[in-house]
Amino acid sequence: ETGVTQTPRHLVMGMTNKKSLKCEQHLGHNAMYWYKQSAKKPLELMFVYSLEERVENNSVPSRFSPECPNSSHLFLHLHTLQPEDSALYLCASSQDWGVVGPQHFGDGTRLSIL
Amino acid sequence: SQQGEEDPQALSIQEGENATMNCSYKTSINNLQWYRQNSGRGLVHLILIRSNEREKHSGRLRVTLDTSKKSSSLLITASRAADTASYFCATDELSFGAGTTVTVRA
Repeated sequence: ETGVTQTPRHLVMGMTNKKSLKCEQHLGHNAMYWYKQSAKKPLELMFVYSLEERVENNSVPSRFSPECPNSSHLFLHLHTLQPEDSALYLCASSQDWGVVGPQHFGDGTRLSIL
Repeated sequence: SQQGEEDPQALSIQEGENATMNCSYKTSINNLQWYRQNSGRGLVHLILIRSNEREKHSGRLRVTLDTSKKSSSLLITASRAADTASYFCATDELSFGAGTTVTVRA
């Protein structure tokens, strides 16, 4: 148990669907992250939130829309995705953004786009 | 980009043997971290080494850092089947590589 919970664990959706991924952390951390992990590729940092404010947005297409309503919850809203968006989406948290320290990861949501 | 890049891509060893994998990066760093990922799970933090450290140990793990060569290595001694996983290095800017997949054969 890492203290970071992601739901759902698996998601299959069509290209025209709208869905949301959820992440919750019980560690009292102030920073939360979304990563995309595709097979044989480096982990891609998508978004970073610090104290509920977005601090990083690494050229992610607008069909991915993050939301951080409070420091414990992070969402990734998905709409009109493409087949190349099929991947494992990982959420992580850390004590503070910009401070050296470990990240705690959830087990991810395996997303498949039909 | 300071992206870490792991080498080799894959490694297969016999239980009890040591496993060594390397990480190279492009520009100066303040710290480097190693993570493990078991199949179907998230990444788990293993060890953090700062730029002023040359070596660090944690149980059966030994990490070295050579800032002059911009490289780090992770050594797992006396490997076990449970060490079968992918291992990633990450630099300051949370730049991860594609990982080294380690398979420990019984």
